[in-house]
Amino acid sequence: GAVVSQHPSWVICKSGTSVKIECRSLDFQATTMFWYRQFPKQSLMLMATSNEGSKATYEQGVEKDKFLINHASLTLSTLTVTSAHPEDSSFYICSAARGLSGNTIYFGEGSWLTVV
Amino acid sequence: QKEVEQDPGPLSVPEGAIVSLNCTYSNSAFQYFMWYRQYSRKGPELLMYTYSSGNKEDGRFTAQVDKSSKYISLFIRDSQPSDSATYLCAMSAGETSGSRLTFGEGTQLTVNP
Repeated sequence: GAVVSQHPSWVICKSGTSVKIECRSLDFQATTMFWYRQFPKQSLMLMATSNEGSKATYEQGVEKDKFLINHASLTLSTLTVTSAHPEDSSFYICSAARGLSGNTIYFGEGSWLTVV
Repeated sequence: QKEVEQDPGPLSVPEGAIVSLNCTYSNSAFQYFMWYRQYSRKGPELLMYTYSSGNKEDGRFTAQVDKSSKYISLFIRDSQPSDSATYLCAMSAGETSGSRLTFGEGTQLTVNP
Protein backbone atom coordinates (compact mmCIF):
# COMPACT_ATOMS: atom_id res chain seq x y z
CA GLY A 1 0.00 0.00 0.00
CA ALA A 2 0.88 3.65 -0.17
CA VAL A 3 3.37 4.90 2.35
CA VAL A 4 4.00 8.40 3.53
CA SER A 5 7.15 8.91 5.53
CA GLN A 6 7.94 11.71 7.91
CA HIS A 7 11.33 12.61 9.28
CA PRO A 8 12.33 13.12 11.99
CA SER A 9 9.91 11.14 14.13
CA TRP A 10 10.79 13.31 17.07
CA VAL A 11 13.00 16.31 17.62
CA ILE A 12 13.99 18.49 20.53
CA CYS A 13 15.24 21.97 19.80
CA LYS A 14 16.15 25.08 21.69
CA SER A 15 13.86 28.06 21.74
CA GLY A 16 14.66 30.47 18.93
CA THR A 17 16.06 27.89 16.54
CA SER A 18 14.42 26.54 13.40
CA VAL A 19 13.38 22.97 12.73
CA LYS A 20 12.62 21.28 9.42
CA ILE A 21 10.27 18.33 9.08
CA GLU A 22 10.14 16.32 5.87
CA CYS A 23 7.17 14.50 4.39
CA ARG A 24 7.79 12.05 1.58
CA SER A 25 5.45 9.93 -0.47
CA LEU A 26 7.48 6.77 -0.98
CA ASP A 27 5.72 4.96 -3.80
CA PHE A 28 3.54 7.54 -5.47
CA GLN A 29 3.60 11.12 -6.64
CA ALA A 30 1.55 13.54 -4.61
CA THR A 31 0.48 16.80 -6.14
CA THR A 32 -1.16 17.82 -2.88
CA MET A 33 0.11 17.42 0.65
CA PHE A 34 -1.42 18.65 3.88
CA TRP A 35 0.18 19.65 7.16
CA TYR A 36 -1.62 19.26 10.48
CA ARG A 37 -0.74 19.79 14.09
CA GLN A 38 -2.26 17.86 16.94
CA PHE A 39 -2.08 18.68 20.63
CA PRO A 40 -2.43 15.83 23.15
CA LYS A 41 -5.94 14.39 23.27
CA GLN A 42 -7.11 16.82 20.63
CA SER A 43 -8.00 16.48 17.00
CA LEU A 44 -5.95 17.26 13.94
CA MET A 45 -5.96 20.90 12.97
CA LEU A 46 -5.17 21.65 9.35
CA MET A 47 -2.36 24.16 9.06
CA ALA A 48 -1.86 24.40 5.34
CA THR A 49 -2.37 22.75 1.99
CA SER A 50 0.75 22.32 -0.06
CA ASN A 51 0.65 22.05 -3.83
CA GLU A 52 3.70 21.03 -5.82
CA GLY A 53 5.28 23.96 -7.56
CA SER A 54 3.11 26.63 -5.99
CA LYS A 55 2.76 28.49 -2.73
CA ALA A 56 1.03 26.76 0.14
CA THR A 57 -2.44 27.78 1.21
CA TYR A 58 -2.53 28.49 4.93
CA GLU A 59 -5.52 28.14 7.21
CA GLN A 60 -6.77 31.17 9.06
CA GLY A 61 -4.67 31.92 12.10
CA VAL A 62 -1.58 30.04 10.90
CA GLU A 63 1.45 32.30 10.47
CA LYS A 64 2.95 31.59 7.08
CA ASP A 65 6.20 33.30 7.99
CA LYS A 66 6.59 31.08 11.02
CA PHE A 67 5.58 27.81 9.41
CA LEU A 68 7.36 27.72 6.09
CA ILE A 69 6.13 25.07 3.69
CA ASN A 70 7.96 24.01 0.57
CA HIS A 71 6.65 21.43 -1.91
CA ALA A 72 9.51 21.35 -4.37
CA SER A 73 8.84 17.94 -5.87
CA LEU A 74 6.00 15.49 -6.32
CA THR A 75 7.33 13.32 -3.52
CA LEU A 76 8.58 15.79 -0.93
CA SER A 77 7.09 18.57 1.14
CA THR A 78 8.86 20.24 4.04
CA LEU A 79 7.60 22.18 7.02
CA THR A 80 10.05 24.51 8.72
CA VAL A 81 9.14 25.91 12.11
CA THR A 82 11.12 29.12 12.36
CA SER A 83 12.20 30.74 15.61
CA ALA A 84 10.51 27.97 17.53
CA HIS A 85 9.00 28.64 20.95
CA PRO A 86 7.78 26.21 23.61
CA GLU A 87 4.17 26.79 22.54
CA ASP A 88 5.09 25.34 19.14
CA SER A 89 5.70 21.99 20.80
CA SER A 90 3.22 19.63 19.23
CA PHE A 91 2.68 16.57 17.05
CA TYR A 92 2.95 17.55 13.40
CA ILE A 93 1.42 15.22 10.81
CA CYS A 94 1.48 15.38 7.05
CA SER A 95 -0.76 13.66 4.56
CA ALA A 96 -0.38 13.13 0.85
CA ALA A 97 -2.99 12.67 -1.83
CA ARG A 98 -2.33 9.73 -4.11
CA GLY A 99 -5.15 10.36 -6.54
CA LEU A 100 -8.11 12.53 -7.28
CA SER A 101 -10.54 10.89 -4.90
CA GLY A 102 -10.75 11.82 -1.26
CA ASN A 103 -10.22 8.24 -0.15
CA THR A 104 -6.68 8.26 -1.46
CA ILE A 105 -5.21 10.45 1.24
CA TYR A 106 -2.53 8.81 3.32
CA PHE A 107 -1.03 10.10 6.53
CA GLY A 108 2.54 10.05 7.71
CA GLU A 109 3.57 8.70 11.09
CA GLY A 110 3.90 12.18 12.55
CA SER A 111 6.74 14.16 14.06
CA TRP A 112 6.93 15.12 17.70
CA LEU A 113 8.47 18.53 18.25
CA THR A 114 9.54 19.64 21.70
CA VAL A 115 10.92 23.14 22.07
CA VAL A 116 12.87 23.74 25.26
CA GLN B 1 -19.86 25.79 17.84
CA LYS B 2 -17.51 23.25 16.29
CA GLU B 3 -18.31 22.07 12.79
CA VAL B 4 -17.85 18.46 13.87
CA GLU B 5 -18.69 17.17 17.34
CA GLN B 6 -17.39 13.89 18.67
CA ASP B 7 -17.50 12.56 22.20
CA PRO B 8 -13.87 12.15 23.27
CA GLY B 9 -14.68 9.33 25.66
CA PRO B 10 -12.80 7.46 26.96
CA LEU B 11 -14.83 4.41 26.04
CA SER B 12 -13.96 1.06 27.59
CA VAL B 13 -15.56 -2.22 26.47
CA PRO B 14 -14.90 -5.93 26.97
CA GLU B 15 -13.47 -7.99 24.15
CA GLY B 16 -16.18 -9.18 21.76
CA ALA B 17 -18.49 -6.24 22.40
CA ILE B 18 -20.11 -4.18 19.69
CA VAL B 19 -18.74 -0.66 19.72
CA SER B 20 -20.68 2.35 18.49
CA LEU B 21 -18.86 5.58 17.72
CA ASN B 22 -20.65 8.70 16.57
CA CYS B 23 -20.18 12.20 15.22
CA THR B 24 -22.55 15.04 14.52
CA TYR B 25 -21.88 17.94 12.24
CA SER B 26 -23.38 21.28 11.38
CA ASN B 27 -22.13 21.99 7.86
CA SER B 28 -24.71 20.72 5.39
CA ALA B 29 -22.14 20.96 2.60
CA PHE B 30 -20.30 17.91 3.91
CA GLN B 31 -20.86 14.98 1.59
CA TYR B 32 -17.86 12.73 2.12
CA PHE B 33 -17.37 11.04 5.44
CA MET B 34 -14.40 9.14 6.76
CA TRP B 35 -13.34 7.26 9.84
CA TYR B 36 -9.71 7.08 10.81
CA ARG B 37 -8.01 5.00 13.47
CA GLN B 38 -5.04 6.51 15.27
CA TYR B 39 -2.81 4.54 17.57
CA SER B 40 -0.91 6.41 20.23
CA ARG B 41 1.81 8.64 18.79
CA LYS B 42 1.11 7.50 15.23
CA GLY B 43 -0.50 9.02 12.17
CA PRO B 44 -4.17 8.30 11.37
CA GLU B 45 -5.09 5.31 9.23
CA LEU B 46 -8.16 5.40 6.97
CA LEU B 47 -10.77 2.81 7.95
CA MET B 48 -13.91 3.77 6.06
CA TYR B 49 -14.84 6.22 3.34
CA THR B 50 -18.47 6.89 2.46
CA TYR B 51 -20.39 9.27 0.30
CA SER B 52 -23.75 10.78 1.21
CA SER B 53 -26.27 8.81 3.25
CA GLY B 54 -26.32 5.07 3.68
CA ASN B 55 -24.36 2.18 5.08
CA LYS B 56 -21.02 0.68 4.16
CA GLU B 57 -19.59 -2.50 5.55
CA ASP B 58 -16.00 -3.73 5.57
CA GLY B 59 -15.29 -6.78 7.65
CA ARG B 60 -16.05 -6.02 11.28
CA PHE B 61 -16.60 -2.34 10.55
CA THR B 62 -19.83 -0.68 9.43
CA ALA B 63 -20.16 3.01 8.69
CA GLN B 64 -23.52 4.74 8.63
CA VAL B 65 -24.35 8.21 7.41
CA ASP B 66 -27.63 10.01 8.03
CA LYS B 67 -27.39 13.35 6.30
CA SER B 68 -30.90 14.37 7.30
CA SER B 69 -29.82 14.22 10.93
CA LYS B 70 -26.22 15.27 10.25
CA TYR B 71 -25.11 12.19 12.13
CA ILE B 72 -22.57 9.52 11.28
CA SER B 73 -21.65 6.32 13.06
CA LEU B 74 -19.00 3.64 13.04
CA PHE B 75 -19.81 0.21 14.42
CA ILE B 76 -17.15 -2.31 15.33
CA ARG B 77 -18.35 -5.90 15.77
CA ASP B 78 -16.52 -8.51 17.80
CA SER B 79 -14.13 -5.89 19.12
CA GLN B 80 -10.56 -6.95 19.79
CA PRO B 81 -7.87 -5.55 22.09
CA SER B 82 -6.01 -4.52 18.94
CA ASP B 83 -8.91 -2.16 18.18
CA SER B 84 -7.85 -0.05 21.15
CA ALA B 85 -7.03 3.32 19.63
CA THR B 86 -8.45 6.76 19.05
CA TYR B 87 -11.10 6.91 16.33
CA LEU B 88 -11.47 10.14 14.41
CA CYS B 89 -14.33 11.04 12.14
CA ALA B 90 -13.56 13.38 9.27
CA MET B 91 -15.61 14.94 6.55
CA SER B 92 -15.29 17.12 3.50
CA ALA B 93 -17.51 18.98 1.11
CA GLY B 94 -15.62 17.96 -2.01
CA GLU B 95 -14.62 14.62 -3.45
CA THR B 96 -11.18 15.49 -4.69
CA SER B 97 -8.08 14.81 -2.68
CA GLY B 98 -7.52 18.53 -2.56
CA SER B 99 -10.62 19.03 -0.45
CA ARG B 100 -9.84 19.96 3.11
CA LEU B 101 -10.86 17.52 5.80
CA THR B 102 -12.52 18.62 9.01
CA PHE B 103 -11.88 16.25 11.89
CA GLY B 104 -13.78 15.44 15.03
CA GLU B 105 -11.98 15.46 18.34
CA GLY B 106 -11.56 11.71 18.35
CA THR B 107 -12.93 9.03 20.68
CA GLN B 108 -10.46 7.04 22.73
CA LEU B 109 -11.45 3.37 22.78
CA THR B 110 -10.05 0.62 24.99
CA VAL B 111 -11.04 -3.00 24.41
CA ASN B 112 -10.25 -5.08 27.45
CA PRO B 113 -9.27 -8.75 27.06
